[in-house]
Amino acid sequence: QSALTQPPSASGSPGQSVTISCTGTSSDVGGYNYVSWYQQHPGKVPKLMIYEVNKRPSGVPDRFSGSKSGNTASLTVSGLQAEDEADYYCSSYAGSNNLFVFGSGTKVTVL
Amino acid sequence: QITLKESGPTLVRPTQTLTLTCTFSGYSLSTSGVGVGWIRQPPGKALEWLALIYWDDDKRYSPSLKSRLTITKDTSKKQVVLTMTTMDPVDTATYYCAHSHYYNGGYAFDVWGQGTMVIASS
Repeated sequence: QSALTQPPSASGSPGQSVTISCTGTSSDVGGYNYVSWYQQHPGKVPKLMIYEVNKRPSGVPDRFSGSKSGNTASLTVSGLQAEDEADYYCSSYAGSNNLFVFGSGTKVTVL
Repeated sequence: QITLKESGPTLVRPTQTLTLTCTFSGYSLSTSGVGVGWIRQPPGKALEWLALIYWDDDKRYSPSLKSRLTITKDTSKKQVVLTMTTMDPVDTATYYCAHSHYYNGGYAFDVWGQGTMVIASS
């Protein structure tokens, strides 16, 4: 099972918005509404930011939003803040024999 | 408050078997929908899902590593154990265990352990 495809990097100025894509296939992203997004600061533990495509866990700012169209999911960070600079990974359910497939990761830089 | 903590050797020799233990608190692995998974991350690289065990002892593995992995649970001790056979230098990574709750989050990991670094080298 191949990893989901993410752009290696994305950037934006404080206050702006940045959108990260996560492209899979009809066997994972396109086939189920089980896309999640994780934020990981350098040397830190991944943190769940979005689950089931567009749901936010308690405590995650509403600046973070998720969506999906076909085989591509997206994470949008609005009103960028310095603390949003981190690596972001998407993940999708890929069937009963491969519960989770992760993306290649995107480094977000706040200019 | 849910917490998880990984433990195991820092260094393993190639061809040896790695055994990692995840000790958790704040929930029961006998609760319907609850699962504990293992994910690894080689230095500077992406996350990779390895295995997950559910409250009902349903076990799932990454297809690419299935032949090398075994996941078990001890509900009373609040522990989940992952073994990986035939270790190779490419298995060098930080290994995380994480909590999942199918009925409250679907297929996602909402709480992660701090991770444990494992180096496979002679």
